[in-house]
Amino acid sequence: DAGVIQSPRHEVTEMGQEVTLRCKPISGHDYLFWYRQTMMRGLELLIYFNNNVPIDDSGMPEDRFSAKMPNASFSTLKIQPSEPRDSAVYFCASSYSHPGGTEAFFGQGTRLTVV
Amino acid sequence: KQEVTQIPAALSVPEGENLVLNCSFTDSAIYNLQWFRQDPGKGLTSLLLIQSSQREQTSGRLNASLDKSSGRSTLYIAASQPGDSATYLCAAYGQNFVFGPGTRLSVLP
Repeated sequence: DAGVIQSPRHEVTEMGQEVTLRCKPISGHDYLFWYRQTMMRGLELLIYFNNNVPIDDSGMPEDRFSAKMPNASFSTLKIQPSEPRDSAVYFCASSYSHPGGTEAFFGQGTRLTVV
Repeated sequence: KQEVTQIPAALSVPEGENLVLNCSFTDSAIYNLQWFRQDPGKGLTSLLLIQSSQREQTSGRLNASLDKSSGRSTLYIAASQPGDSATYLCAAYGQNFVFGPGTRLSVLP
């Protein structure tokens, strides 16, 4: 398997624009996580899905952020409208069975810059 | 609310030294603790996963221990090499994954 695949790797956008980040989890994994990493706050869990269903979205910072998982092989994280403070590296991760019992595997991340 | 801390924040050692990285968590009700490595501009690579019922895990030159009662985990790296230079993060899984801020390790040739 190619691992968790994220696209794009880098995104530069203007404030107010819509941004969509994409993730393809490892085949067979039933958990998918979205994280954000900044120098100030480190790694923060935004939301996670189990079998395509959002389980915990308490980490989503505000209504400008939304995430979907229409099928087992694809998820999106959308920011609309984007703001400079959203600039960060966004990671997607996946695992199988209960995440308490197995490893989480991370993608390479999307570096988002909002100017 | 779970809080995870790591000390030291940065560490620089000469090649060949054995070293210990520390991770502390406030809520002992965790399912597991996972250690990751992150290279600059890269994603996270899983190193070791310790289940809550386990005391330690080993992989090559790496050994991780877990003491739930004291809220501590350590990552021991034996015979360090320049290729070990990276940021090491621990994550405690209870209700969700909570990451520490990381330890930035530099191993000098």
